[in-house]
Formats: sequence, structure tokens, C-alpha cells
Amino acid sequence: DTAVSQTPKYLVTQMGNDKSIKCEQNLGHDTMYWYKQDSKKFLKIMFSYNNKELIINETVPNRFSPKSPDKAHLNLHINSLELGDSAVYFCASSQGSGMDEQFFGPGTRLTVL
Amino acid sequence: DAKTTQPTSMDCAEGRAANLPCNHSTISGNEYVYWYRQIHSQGPQYIIHGLKNNETNEMASLIITEDRKSSTLILPHATLRDTAVYYCIAIPSNFGNEKLTFGTGTRLTIIP
Repeated sequence: DTAVSQTPKYLVTQMGNDKSIKCEQNLGHDTMYWYKQDSKKFLKIMFSYNNKELIINETVPNRFSPKSPDKAHLNLHINSLELGDSAVYFCASSQGSGMDEQFFGPGTRLTVL
Repeated sequence: DAKTTQPTSMDCAEGRAANLPCNHSTISGNEYVYWYRQIHSQGPQYIIHGLKNNETNEMASLIITEDRKSSTLILPHATLRDTAVYYCIAIPSNFGNEKLTFGTGTRLTIIP
């Protein structure tokens, strides 16, 4: 059974479009996260979401917004896509907050043309 | 958060112990040392973490020096499937996640 799943695996789109990446976890975890891994392979946290509390990395543009319809899902919406948004985006979840062991999804490779 | 430094790459023969060093000389008293790895094209995978005592689990052992300024991750019997990028991160116990960044890590290649 897949613990943390993301869709789509690949996403190619034009600049200026709005897109979403979905994430689901079946581990019963309380906290979910989004990370961005850029071309230099730096993996940086974007958001964490726990019991309706959202913690945002202040460097993330407000074009990015997480949406959590329920505890098992944390979707990432991106408005007005830019070339620099091209990266691999990873969803993760953990039982608690802080740095409890995080389980990562397989990643979504976003390419903005 | 304490900055960590790791060698860019390392090789290890299959079946031997892989010892991956990490320096965290500015670590503070409430910061844990975490290790994750990322196998090519997959999401990161948690390995182990510790505060000041040495730790061991089914995947690896973590040796932290007494002054806590460095640590070593040990994979006791490396296999080809252990080829990955290994990240060492220092995280405070009251971590709020807002600025977490994994560094470039160590690219470990297991040689047959």
C-alpha cells in the first residue's frame, strides 16, 4: 500500500497557468508538508499543516497555496506559474509536528515552459 | 538552525561498512541530528536521529561525538541499494519547520 501518494508524477505547463498537485497519505498522520527540490538538488520546506495550523516558509511566494480538504490530503495550488517554479515537489507526512519521522511521497516533476 | 557540512561524495565496497561523516560545529543544545537519504528519483527516506547518545536501528547506527560537533552515520553492511544521497540535518526540538532546508548531502556510491 502506498503511504504517501502524489498526482500527477509529471506536469508540463505554460507560464502564467494555474495548476494543482494532489497529495494523500493513508498513515493517519497529523501533519503534512510540501517541499521543493530545485535544479541544484536543494530540498527546501515550503509549508507544514497540522490541525488546521499552517506554517509557511516566508520565502515562498504567495502564488503558492496549500489546501487541506481533510486530514489525509494536502494539495498544492500554484497560480501564475513562472519558469523558476520548475522543480520537483515532494509531499510528506508525519505523526506529530516538529521533526518526527517524515514519510515522503514519490515527487511531482513540474516543468514550466 | 545549525549548518551542517558533509563530503560531496564517497564510495564504499559492497558488503563493507559505509561511514558517512557530518560536521555541525555550531549545533546548539536543543538541536537533534537527523539523517535522511534520497535514492535517485525517489522521495527522501528517514534513517535515524539522535541528540547526544549513540543510536542504532535496523537501518543504521549514529555515532555523535561527546562535544556534539560532529557525527557519523554507519551503514554496517552496505548493499547496492544503499547508493543514494545522504543528508545530515540539525533540527531544534522546538522546530517550527519554517526554514528547513536539506543541504547538498553526500552522494554515496556502493561499488560491486
